[in-house]
Amino acid sequence: GEKVEQHESTLSVREGDSAVINCTYTDTASSYFPWYKQEAGKSLHFVIDIRSNVDRKQSQRLIVLLDKKAKRFSLHITATQPEDSAIYFCAAKGNNYAQGLTFGLGTRVSVFP
Amino acid sequence: NSKVIQTPRYLVKGQGQKAKMRCIPEKGHPVVFWYQQNKNNEFKFLINFQNQEVLQQIDMTEKRFSAECPSNSPCSLEIQSSEAGDSALYLCASSLGEQYFGPGTRLTVL
Repeated sequence: GEKVEQHESTLSVREGDSAVINCTYTDTASSYFPWYKQEAGKSLHFVIDIRSNVDRKQSQRLIVLLDKKAKRFSLHITATQPEDSAIYFCAAKGNNYAQGLTFGLGTRVSVFP
Repeated sequence: NSKVIQTPRYLVKGQGQKAKMRCIPEKGHPVVFWYQQNKNNEFKFLINFQNQEVLQQIDMTEKRFSAECPSNSPCSLEIQSSEAGDSALYLCASSLGEQYFGPGTRLTVL
């Protein structure tokens, strides 16, 4: 089955700088890649996703890049703010909308002043 | 913001006891998923439903869990005989495309 590896377990960035989280996946059939944010003691909050028909997507300060050849996708948080501090999870699944997600192990992002 | 409702938020059970949790998906979302997130942040997909029908489930779920999504009632996930290793956060998500998660039920098995 699909395996998703999240390369950074922790990331510490100065406020205003960018944070980049990288994930790789194994199943070439995967075509949908969402990102979730989890704050301490809370549930997963959907932040952004990308589908395999594009290689870049931006939503405000968040940019997702997808490199299908390398089976790699990344989340760029630009102009970081203290409220960006959280654990971020990448995930992947195939085309079937009813398929379960395969998650990475999370990256703890800390934004310091 | 997700409108998925999960109850209870916390559940404490002894080994061998039944543990039942409920989920009300977002209105209009036909697919419901259950996941388990352990203390090491490992997620495990357990089961999903479309309307009232099971679409996929893993072996563990088939053997020790029972789940249903009746019409006009909350979906539920029940562990028939809790084990210490079942201690985790159980997350329900509903989907019309993106999956939106509820707040979770944190199960502790003593």
